Amino acid sequence: GALVYQYPRRTICKSGTSMRMECQAVGFQATSVAWYRQSPQKTFELIALSTVNSAIKYEQNFTQEKFPISHPNLSFSSMTVLNAYLEDRGLYLCGARDPGSSAETLYFGSGTRLTVL
Amino acid sequence: GDSVTQTEGQVTVSESKSLIINCTYSATSIAYPNLFWYVRYPGEGLQLLLKVITAGQKGSSRGFEATYNKETTSFHLQKASVQESDSAVYYCALSDRGNNYAQGLTFGLGTRVSVFP
Repeated sequence: GALVYQYPRRTICKSGTSMRMECQAVGFQATSVAWYRQSPQKTFELIALSTVNSAIKYEQNFTQEKFPISHPNLSFSSMTVLNAYLEDRGLYLCGARDPGSSAETLYFGSGTRLTVL
Repeated sequence: GDSVTQTEGQVTVSESKSLIINCTYSATSIAYPNLFWYVRYPGEGLQLLLKVITAGQKGSSRGFEATYNKETTSFHLQKASVQESDSAVYYCALSDRGNNYAQGLTFGLGTRVSVFP
């Protein structure tokens, strides 16, 4: 079956430092990877959508300068939170699209919970 | 933009009783989006529970059902008899297939379900 591994599960960083999270698709080719953030008391917000052979598309309020994403092949993607501050805390999820399934199904990793001190 | 509204907050239900979580949607760029229910069990990532891509049809999984109602723009999740293991947070979501997934998924705020013996 389609599985997505995301790591680390939890991370703590000091204010102003950066942290990187990674996402690995197993059992399928992740032609698209979506990165989401769930801030406290909010739902999941789409940060960006990365599609192989296309430019990474960032949503409003999110930029490449703040959340650079790498999607070098069909099984791996990473995202960095640069200069993290308190408002960046939350749960970050990567969701990978399985082109072999219908309806643009996204399979998610377990998430990376970011705490900023 | 697109939006999803679902039963907010927490729902507490006794084991073997029925459960319904309301979900209504608004898709601005397409009349019939794809509709999903995702579930997040404690300590785990988001899992796809069920999906429906055709208006009027019903999706089912693990005893849960949801019918895509285009007249009322609703996609309520129901289960006739819940178990303790159904305790989780449930998210209603839509994708705008008209853009071939270019916009990712739009999620509701989530509904935390607690099932007591």
